[in-house]
Amino acid sequence: GAGVSQSPSNKVTEKGKDVELRCDPISGHTALYWYRQSLGQGLEFLIYFQGNSAPDKSGLPSDRFSAERTGGSVSTLTIQRTQQEDSAVYLCATMMTGYGSYEQYFGPGTRLTVT
Amino acid sequence: KNEVEQSPQNLTAQEGEFITINCSYSVGISALHWLQQHPGGGIVSLFMLSSGKKKHGRLIATINIQEKHSSLHITASHPRDSAVYICAVGIQGAQKLVFGQGTRLTINP
Repeated sequence: GAGVSQSPSNKVTEKGKDVELRCDPISGHTALYWYRQSLGQGLEFLIYFQGNSAPDKSGLPSDRFSAERTGGSVSTLTIQRTQQEDSAVYLCATMMTGYGSYEQYFGPGTRLTVT
Repeated sequence: KNEVEQSPQNLTAQEGEFITINCSYSVGISALHWLQQHPGGGIVSLFMLSSGKKKHGRLIATINIQEKHSSLHITASHPRDSAVYICAVGIQGAQKLVFGQGTRLTINP
C-alpha cells in the first residue's frame, strides 16, 4: 500500500514569505508527527497529532510555526514570515496507536530553502 | 547533556566486519527506535524495542533498560549498509521521539 507522502519535495522561498507543507498519512494511522532536520543536525520534534485530541505543540520553535490536521487525515505545516534559519528538511511520520508502542513510518520529507 | 547520546559519531569499516553502534539515554522511555537514513533518502525504521533483543537479517538490536543503553549490531557488513543510523527514544508519558545525533557508517569494499 501507499506510504506516507509529502509535498512539495523541494521548496525554495524568499525570506519573509509564508510556506505550507503537506503530509498525507498512511490510511488508518491516527498519530501524525512533524519533525525537522537542519543541515548537519539531528532530528527535532515539532508537533504531534493524535485523533481528536489537542495536539502537542511543545516542539514548535516559534509562533511563526503552526500546523493543523483536518479530519484526522491530511496535515499541513505552515511557516509564516520565513527566515533563513528555517531552511531544513521537514519530515512527517505517522503511526497506528493502541495498546503499547508502534513503529513510526516516515515520509520522504520536504526540503525547504529560504533565500 | 543530550537526553540521547550515540557513539561513535562516525565509523568507517571494511566489508565483512562486525559493526556495533551504541546509544545511551537519560530519561524514562516507552520504547527505543533504531532508524536508518540513506544519503538523499528517507528514513526507515529498523527496530522498535522496549526490552531484550530483536534480530532482522544481519541486524541485531539489544536494549538494557536498567543501564539505559542499547546497541545496534550489523554482522557481515556490506557497502550498502553505509548510511546514518539514528537512535530515538519515545519519552514515557509523552508521545514525542527524542533523537540522537546519528552515527555515520561507511563500509568500504
